[in-house]
Amino acid sequence: EIVLTQSPTTIAASPGEKVTITCRASSSVSYMYWYQQKPGASPKPWIYDTSKLASGVPNRFSGSGSGTSYSLTINTMETEDGATYYCQQWSSTPPTFGGGTKLELK
Amino acid sequence: EVQLQESGPGLVQPSQSLSLTCSVTGYSITSNYWGWIRKFPGNKMEWVGHISYSGSTNYNPSLKSRISITRDTSKNQFFLQLNSVTPEDTAAYYCARTAYYSYIYDSWGQGVMVTVSS
Repeated sequence: EIVLTQSPTTIAASPGEKVTITCRASSSVSYMYWYQQKPGASPKPWIYDTSKLASGVPNRFSGSGSGTSYSLTINTMETEDGATYYCQQWSSTPPTFGGGTKLELK
Repeated sequence: EVQLQESGPGLVQPSQSLSLTCSVTGYSITSNYWGWIRKFPGNKMEWVGHISYSGSTNYNPSLKSRISITRDTSKNQFFLQLNSVTPEDTAAYYCARTAYYSYIYDSWGQGVMVTVSS
């Protein structure tokens, strides 16, 4: 199965700061999906097909990447962005998830 | 608007079977893919398996010998059965739907915490 490794595991950012989360795959994948999860809530779809924002996601978020390296970027951190972000691939079965990146407000 | 709701026991004895139901409203399970995903304490997430719009199933190979996903289209529900559970199966279990436009899971239930313990 394809292993997804996210970095960093935890990051603290100040309001207005730019944030980048990386997801590296053990083999090449065609697309990457991202979810946002806050404590006590279920995951929310955030970015699909590598770079497309899910419904309701602010345009300060963006996604990019190809092959084995993908990233989620927040152009300017806002308070509400504090959450854990997971990447996920489904280029091969089983679908797999990254270990998560916890984004905290500094 | 589609809504998914998991139900089932919160505590299961080791070696017994875990049985969960996902009740879906607002959308037919005869469309899209319907999956089970679990999140372990410590935040690791694992895809358990899915049932398709046609009723075909696909399971995580790590669970293949212990798992069964079925459905009842008349009730718009699908089910997870995981046999011979151990404490390592303790997790929050979510049911979810894939989007029609992508393989991202675009709708999720609220999740049910299942603890395997005697």
